[in-house]
Amino acid sequence: EPEVTQTPSHQVTQMGQEVILRCVPISNHLYFYWYRQILGQKVEFLVSFYNNEISEKSEIFDDQFSVERPDGSNFTLKIRSTKLEDSAMYFCASSGISGRAVLNEQFFGPGTRLTVL
Amino acid sequence: GESVGLHLPTLSVQEGDNSIINCAYSNSASDYFIWYKQESGKGPQFIIDIRSNMDKRQGQRVTVLLNKTVKHLSLQIAATQPGDSAVYFCAEKAGDSSYKLIFGSGTRLLVRP
Repeated sequence: EPEVTQTPSHQVTQMGQEVILRCVPISNHLYFYWYRQILGQKVEFLVSFYNNEISEKSEIFDDQFSVERPDGSNFTLKIRSTKLEDSAMYFCASSGISGRAVLNEQFFGPGTRLTVL
Repeated sequence: GESVGLHLPTLSVQEGDNSIINCAYSNSASDYFIWYKQESGKGPQFIIDIRSNMDKRQGQRVTVLLNKTVKHLSLQIAATQPGDSAVYFCAEKAGDSSYKLIFGSGTRLLVRP
């Protein structure tokens, strides 16, 4: 069964450093998302991406965040200057297209645990 | 503002019993709802979904009920098994103009042997 994959599974970084979290969405999906989950809290939407541009973003997704689809398979989240409060699980998700309609169901990857020291 | 919340943070049930996990939402424009299961250290896993034009949908051992009048969603798990132990999240999609999912705070289901 096709699945979303993410690397690395755990990333430890120093405050102020840049990190790139990587995702490989399901191959025929065209709509991509990043969510995060701070320990013990609910999953929060960060950004959605379609047709090589951001479709929607939350208040959390400020100028220190960026997303990119550098090739036909990867989807990345970059945090330019990490802060302590960026420590969280980051989940990538993708959804398919049927005709011209985006399918509602989102498939999540296993997540990357980001620890900022 | 928009919010999705869960009534109970932890639900403990006996193996073989039925489980009911509840969720309240506040956005009457939401057109799609989904239940995810999250096991420790893993990403959310799809369980079942329902569109706002339905009030009930059944899957294998799971049923989702939607009451739009009181903005309430529930997940029923029949014959709960130890493998059902996890955190369950409801999520809503806020209408046709948005594809983001808004998650509730989660309910931990513990299945006693």
